[in-house]
Amino acid sequence: KAGVTQTPRYLIKTRGQQVTLSCSPISGHRSVSWYQQTPGQGLQFLFEYFSETQRNKGNFPGRFSGRQFSNSRSEMNVSTLELGDSALYLCASSLGGTGPNEKLFFGSGTQLSVL
Amino acid sequence: ELKVEQNPLFLSMQEGKNYTIYCNYSTTSDRLYWYRQDPGKSLESLFVLLSNGAVKQEGRLMASLDTKARLSTLHITAAVHDLSATYFCAGKNLYNFNKFYFGSGTKLNVKP
Repeated sequence: KAGVTQTPRYLIKTRGQQVTLSCSPISGHRSVSWYQQTPGQGLQFLFEYFSETQRNKGNFPGRFSGRQFSNSRSEMNVSTLELGDSALYLCASSLGGTGPNEKLFFGSGTQLSVL
Repeated sequence: ELKVEQNPLFLSMQEGKNYTIYCNYSTTSDRLYWYRQDPGKSLESLFVLLSNGAVKQEGRLMASLDTKARLSTLHITAAVHDLSATYFCAGKNLYNFNKFYFGSGTKLNVKP
């Protein structure tokens, strides 16, 4: 069974540009969550999509947005990039329920550097 | 909002020794998770703890949960070099779906 796939693996952008990151979840998983990981702030929740609907979001500015397609694949967009957006962006998929076996499966991440 | 604190943040230990990583959380958490992250790699799920008194073991790692003390521990028995990694605990409330609150991580270095 293929794991969570994130593309691209690395990105270098300049301030003011925008970027789109992609995530393909494990087959059968309907929930996709996005997390930002930085040395200073650690792992922070961005948002979660389930069946094409955003059902939770973290405390990030509106420059951060996402969407989910009917095949559960998800994209995350960051507009007007700032230096502080440099981070590892992790996507995680899950079944999306509340059962005892519910857990997140993480992709390898996209390392974004903003110059 | 749920806050999760881990200590220590860094842990250097000799092979063969035992040690414990502590994870405190601020308010009720319906689930407590432990993840491992190797340098440059993604997070790998280790344990899911569901209720007070839960204990789970895998190899040299054992995790436990005390909901009354709002404390989870990850105990390492007879450490080996392969256990060197960063360990994260995370909590969540079911009504928040998959909004996990992660601790800062404990970077473990096991010296041969």
